[in-house]
Amino acid sequence: ELKVEQNPLFLSMQEGKNYTIYCNYSTTSDRLYWYRQDPGKSLESLFVLLSNGAVKQEGRLMASLDTKARLSTLHITAAVHDLSATYFCAVGNNNDMRFGAGTRLTVKP
Amino acid sequence: EAGVAQSPRYKIIEKRQSVAFWCNPISGHATLYWYQQILGQGPKLLIQFQNNGVVDDSQLPKDRFSAERLKGVDSTLKIQPAKLEDSAVYLCASSLYLRQPQHFGDGTRLSIL
Repeated sequence: ELKVEQNPLFLSMQEGKNYTIYCNYSTTSDRLYWYRQDPGKSLESLFVLLSNGAVKQEGRLMASLDTKARLSTLHITAAVHDLSATYFCAVGNNNDMRFGAGTRLTVKP
Repeated sequence: EAGVAQSPRYKIIEKRQSVAFWCNPISGHATLYWYQQILGQGPKLLIQFQNNGVVDDSQLPKDRFSAERLKGVDSTLKIQPAKLEDSAVYLCASSLYLRQPQHFGDGTRLSIL
């Protein structure tokens, strides 16, 4: 069974600092997604990663994928308050799709 | 483009009652998904459709949950009868094709008393 683990589950960081969120998964996957969810809102697609070594960047967020290690990372550079949200990774294998529990990020001034 | 539309936004019912949710995906999107998101957890995929056919419903509790997507556009998800543990946000999402990034609706928040 496909299982997805994210860590940390809670992250409080100061503006201007860097940090990384980790997403581990248990079985072979053919795609990995990162989503953002603001409180009381729905999910917004950030990145889709399809192959080993894939790296995507948008603003202060950069996502990477290592299929051999079954690991994806979401790196935050010089955090700003607007990045405060819950970040989910989701892993797909054929028609199965599993989400991690989410990382609740709070960026403090 | 118009996003994924869901209704109602909120629903409160008593246990053992029935409830239905409606979803209208983004125009032209062939794939439609229903998720259950319990407070503090990630979304759990219940069922996915490709046009009007079911691709996967392995995590749908079929004794009480049912879903259909008539004509390959709108979809409804029904719970009958509801249990306390069904309290959650029910999210609908759509994508152009299978395995493409999904666009989510705002969800229906269901409370069971």
